[in-house]
Amino acid sequence: KAGVTQTPRYLIKTRGQQVTLSCSPISGHRSVSWYQQTPGQGLQFLFEYFSETQRNKGNFPGRFSGRQFSNSRSEMNVSTLELGDSALYLCASSLGLAGSGDEQFFGPGTRLTVL
Amino acid sequence: GENVEQHPSTLSVQEGDSAVIKCTYSDSASNYFPWYKQELGKGPQLIIDIRSNVGEKKDQRIAVTLNKTAKHFSLHITETQPEDSAVYFCAAAFTGGGNKLTFGTGTQLKVEL
Repeated sequence: KAGVTQTPRYLIKTRGQQVTLSCSPISGHRSVSWYQQTPGQGLQFLFEYFSETQRNKGNFPGRFSGRQFSNSRSEMNVSTLELGDSALYLCASSLGLAGSGDEQFFGPGTRLTVL
Repeated sequence: GENVEQHPSTLSVQEGDSAVIKCTYSDSASNYFPWYKQELGKGPQLIIDIRSNVGEKKDQRIAVTLNKTAKHFSLHITETQPEDSAVYFCAAAFTGGGNKLTFGTGTQLKVEL
């Protein structure tokens, strides 16, 4: 059974640009959650999608957005990039909602560097 | 919303010693408490979880304890080995509310030879 895959693995952008990250969940999983990981800040929750609907949202500005497709694949977009957006972006998939008690399976992450 | 605090942020132990990581949570309704291990260059992976209907759970060298009254839970690793070196995250959620899983800030565990 294939795990969670994220593309690209590494990305370098400049301030003001926009970026789109992709996540393919484990087959059969309907929930995809996105997290931002920076040193000292742990895993900051961005948003969660379940059956193409955003079910939960973290405290990030509107520059961060996402969507989920009918095959459960998800994308997140960051517009007008800032230096502080440099981070590891992780996605995780689960059968049910992330807070339902179902195990979350994480992908390897996309390392975004903003210059 | 839920807030999870995790201590210590770094922990160094000698091989064979025990390691303990502690977390406190704010929402008394939370009833699901997983622990994740993140190795270098990888995403976090679930290693053990506990639900509010039990006070302790063990899996080989790993155990988790839960004190609902005090709203804190802990991860215990016995007979530590170099491969236990990683970042550990605790998390909490109320499974009945459609809420998100809230993570602690992580503990960098280093097991020295």
